[in-house]
Amino acid sequence: DAMVIQNPRYQVTQFGKPVTLSCSQTLNHNVMYWYQQKSSQAPKLLFHYYDKDFNNEADTPDNFQSRRPNTSFCFLDIRSPGLGDAAMYLCATSAISRSSTQYFGPGTRLTVL
Amino acid sequence: GEDVEQSLFLSVREGDSSVINCTYTDSSSTYLYWYKQEPGAGLQLLTYIFSNMDMKQDQRLTVLLNKKDKHLSLRIADTQTGDSAIYFCAERDSARQLTFGSGTQLTVLP
Repeated sequence: DAMVIQNPRYQVTQFGKPVTLSCSQTLNHNVMYWYQQKSSQAPKLLFHYYDKDFNNEADTPDNFQSRRPNTSFCFLDIRSPGLGDAAMYLCATSAISRSSTQYFGPGTRLTVL
Repeated sequence: GEDVEQSLFLSVREGDSSVINCTYTDSSSTYLYWYKQEPGAGLQLLTYIFSNMDMKQDQRLTVLLNKKDKHLSLRIADTQTGDSAIYFCAERDSARQLTFGSGTQLTVLP
């Protein structure tokens, strides 16, 4: 059974056209993360939510925003996608536990035309 | 800052053992993880090890940790074609964030 779900799996947008990616979880975890992964690279953390507290990484561009309306859902908004924003976007969740293991969704592949 | 390094490629014959190595710099790391990523997919957690352990075994997977040398390895016994993927090691820092290595592409040859 899927625990971290991302929709859509593939998203195509045009240069400058806003896009929203969705993540939901059935694990009831406190923490949700958004990563960007470009081809042949490691995932790069964009931001995370600890419950409703938003934590932005220092080098995350302002073009990227996030919303977490409730425990289960988290959204990634890209206000004006550029060609350089084409990537796989990965959502992950973790509980506040000793290991704080992160569980990843299947990802959304974003193409910018 | 933290740094995690892995070799980029590894090829093995089906049925042989694979050993993927990783080095890290953060001596305060408490947990270290191995994730598997197949093409076009997300990251699948394989296993993790707490920093006060030297070894952890889980079916075909064996994780060895040398904390003195900050070296982590993942051994896959009896490697199968389905094991072909990118393997990422990651360390968890004091802020509970993960720092990933660049990933090792494992190719299993028939």
